[in-house]
Amino acid sequence: AQKVTQAQTEISVVEKEDVTLDCVYETRDTTYYLFWYKQPPSGELVFLIRRNSFDEQNEISGRYSWNFQKSTSSFNFTITASQVVDSAVYFCALSEASGANSKLTFGKGITLSVRP
Amino acid sequence: NAGVTQTPKFQVLKTGQSMTLQCAQDMNHNSMYWYRQDPGMGLRLIYYSASEGTTDKGEVPNGYNVSRLNKREFSLRLESAAPSQTSVYFCASSEAGGHGNTIYFGEGSWLTVV
Repeated sequence: AQKVTQAQTEISVVEKEDVTLDCVYETRDTTYYLFWYKQPPSGELVFLIRRNSFDEQNEISGRYSWNFQKSTSSFNFTITASQVVDSAVYFCALSEASGANSKLTFGKGITLSVRP
Repeated sequence: NAGVTQTPKFQVLKTGQSMTLQCAQDMNHNSMYWYRQDPGMGLRLIYYSASEGTTDKGEVPNGYNVSRLNKREFSLRLESAAPSQTSVYFCASSEAGGHGNTIYFGEGSWLTVV
């Protein structure tokens, strides 16, 4: 069975600090996809990134970066120079490999608070 | 640029009442989903529809029914609401063509059962 663990439940930082959100996953599939979503206080779920299991290159998008390591089954998310607008709940998710759809298994989320 | 639209946004029900959450997507996606979000639980899949005319149970289907009315619309029905169904409900959709497609979510529906 698939599982996503986000061991950190709440993180609080001061603006401009760097912060890393951890994600560890379990799957028996050799082909799988990993995602991060952001849920700001307004409640909607915003897609941030999708990574397939064959691509271990780290990715950077502005202040956001993602470190995918198959050896440790981790897909960690770093925010550099955090801002108050980064305050949100962040979800890591894993996609099943079977079937013709993209059911996601979510972690329980990490609440990030960025203080001015 | 609507994406996934779900209604209503807020609803209060009495135990035993029924209601239907409506969802529509304008991205021509084949697959649609209903998730529920509870504190400390992340999001859990209730039902999904891989394509028009098909529906399947997810992780927590009990107490719910769904209808894939057409390619655009996927509704979730609570026949006899219970307080345990108090939650935030998210509709979502994705392209067909295999696993790993990005799922796009609606803005959520806050349901309280008293």
